[in-house]
Amino acid sequence: EPEVTQTPSHQVTQMGQEVILRCVPISNHLYFYWYRQILGQKVEFLVSFYNNEISEKSEIFDDQFSVERPDGSNFTLKIRSTKLEDSAMYFCASRPAGPTEAFFGQGTRLTVV
Amino acid sequence: AQSVTQLDSHVSVSEGTPVLLRCNYSSSYSPSLFWYVQHPNKGLQLLLKYTSAATLVKGINGFEAEFKKSETSFHLTKPSAHMSDAAEYFCVVSDRNDYKLSFGAGTTVTVRA
Repeated sequence: EPEVTQTPSHQVTQMGQEVILRCVPISNHLYFYWYRQILGQKVEFLVSFYNNEISEKSEIFDDQFSVERPDGSNFTLKIRSTKLEDSAMYFCASRPAGPTEAFFGQGTRLTVV
Repeated sequence: AQSVTQLDSHVSVSEGTPVLLRCNYSSSYSPSLFWYVQHPNKGLQLLLKYTSAATLVKGINGFEAEFKKSETSFHLTKPSAHMSDAAEYFCVVSDRNDYKLSFGAGTTVTVRA
């Protein structure tokens, strides 16, 4: 069964460093998402991506964040200069056209120290 | 704009007794509604979905939910809880004309032996 895969599963980084979180969505899907979940808190929307551009982003998704779909298969989230409060589980998701569910990856746990 | 309110942050039940998780939604258009489950240290798994077909939706592991437009509700039920149902449950809404999924704050379910 097709699935969304995320790498790495866990990343530890120094404050101020850049990190890139990687995702391989399901191949025929059209919509791509990043969400994050700070420990013990709700799942928060970061950004959605459709037709090779950002379709919507939240207030969290400031200039420190960027997304790319560099080669038609990978979908990356970059955080330019990490802060302690960026520590969270980051989930990638994809969905096909139509009113259907999103398929989530297993997440990347980012720890900023 | 769309939003979801999960009315209970924590539900505790005895094994073998019914489970009820309450969810109310707000949506400008005909919504799609989903319940996802997250077991400890795991990703998000789809339990069931409503996308304008039958209003009573059956999902995996014996869960079901009923879409009630007049009450703007999509409550999740299971007749008999099992220890393996202990997890975090998220009600999620998606507008047909929107690109994002909006999550509720989540309900933590504990099951007592």
